[in-house]
Amino acid sequence: NAGVTQTPKFQVLKTGQSMTLQCAQDMNHEYMSWYRQDPGMGLRLIHYSVGAGITDQGEVPNGYNVSRSTTEDFPLRLLSAAPSQTSVYFCASFPGRLAGGPDEQFFGPGTRLTVL
Amino acid sequence: GQQLNQSPQSMFIQEGEDVSMNCTSSSIFNTWLWYKQDPGEGPVLLIALYKAGELTSNGRLTAQFGITRKDSFLNISASIPSDVGIYFCAGLTSGTYKYIFGTGTRLKVLA
Repeated sequence: NAGVTQTPKFQVLKTGQSMTLQCAQDMNHEYMSWYRQDPGMGLRLIHYSVGAGITDQGEVPNGYNVSRSTTEDFPLRLLSAAPSQTSVYFCASFPGRLAGGPDEQFFGPGTRLTVL
Repeated sequence: GQQLNQSPQSMFIQEGEDVSMNCTSSSIFNTWLWYKQDPGEGPVLLIALYKAGELTSNGRLTAQFGITRKDSFLNISASIPSDVGIYFCAGLTSGTYKYIFGTGTRLKVLA
């Protein structure tokens, strides 16, 4: 298993540009999440999904969209990039005990985004 | 937004010393996770805890799920240089699908 994969690893955008951060997992996990990590702030939840076709907002959703058309993929879209969105973005997944698995959440390697 | 209180924020220790850190919350959690993050990498899961009072070990690491279900503790015995990194706790409330993370403990080991 590749686990949780993210692309790209690095990205530089200009203010106002849009882009999609890709996330995929091959563990058949129901739950997937996007976090951003800023210095001294820990990990903050942006959006999450409890299954294909179901998404919900986390703590800091403004400026981001998500969709979950398949169990494996959970892309994060930046609609109009702003310097405040400069951060490291992590995707994570876990099976969930309701789905018959533990609540152990695994992370991807991250995407480092800079918005100029 | 809600975050867990994690302490200490950072610590310098001598190689070979034992390390203790903790995480506290005003909310009750049903699952606690402890992660380690190396520079430039994603967090890696160290230990998962599912029952109040549970004590679980993973090599030199031992974590405990607090009896009140509002706290958790991580101990590292006989620290070595590769223990350097940021340690995060995370809690999950029953019936939700959102993990809440601590702000991290930055560990620096002096050889």
